Amino acid sequence: DTEVTQTPKHLVMGMTNKKSLKCEQHMGHRAMYWYKQKAKKPPELMFVYSYEKLSINESVPSRFSPECPNSSLLNLHLHALQPEDSALYLCASSQVTVSGANVLTFGAGSRLTVL
Amino acid sequence: AQSVSQHNHHVILSEAASLELGCNYSYGGTVNLFWYVQYPGQHLQLLLKYFSGDPLVKGIKGFEAEFIKSKFSFNLRKPSVQWSDTAEYFCAVLSASKIIFGSGTRLSIRP
Repeated sequence: DTEVTQTPKHLVMGMTNKKSLKCEQHMGHRAMYWYKQKAKKPPELMFVYSYEKLSINESVPSRFSPECPNSSLLNLHLHALQPEDSALYLCASSQVTVSGANVLTFGAGSRLTVL
Repeated sequence: AQSVSQHNHHVILSEAASLELGCNYSYGGTVNLFWYVQYPGQHLQLLLKYFSGDPLVKGIKGFEAEFIKSKFSFNLRKPSVQWSDTAEYFCAVLSASKIIFGSGTRLSIRP
């Protein structure tokens, strides 16, 4: 079983809804990530948190709002999404190293459908 | 920034055949490379990684990869594939504190 837990596994929402994706890990990792994966495509990095602070935002639209309330939790708040935002949203975590050479542990993902 | 390219989009093999999936990275210097696998309906899992040292890296499930600096390559190999190896395989590189994935290779194994 993966040690990164994502909820919900599936989410269907309308374009005017507000919803959140949640991610939790208890491995003591201090870096957490959101990736977006469209069908038959590689994961694309969205956000990176390091020590609960946002360190990388890959120019993601503001309708996606990340939050890291503590070292074990990572949320992705969704508002006014578009149908093209439908995808598998992957959370990952890793240790933080000086060299940056990290191994990511991924969750199973939250499959989002925007109607 | 570093990037990786995977030129094989879909590979079809029979069971017991040998496997080699190509991965090339964009430029030299210190490079950290990974192979991840995504089995149907499952989460991404690390197969193996190269940070430094022995260029022949052994991973899980009988996979190995060889880092060849002169060719900017990090190809994934397995001497004898099984039906259960059917999956999507992603090469990835660390670039500016970010893990960047290649486009992926879909591996289909005929029973």
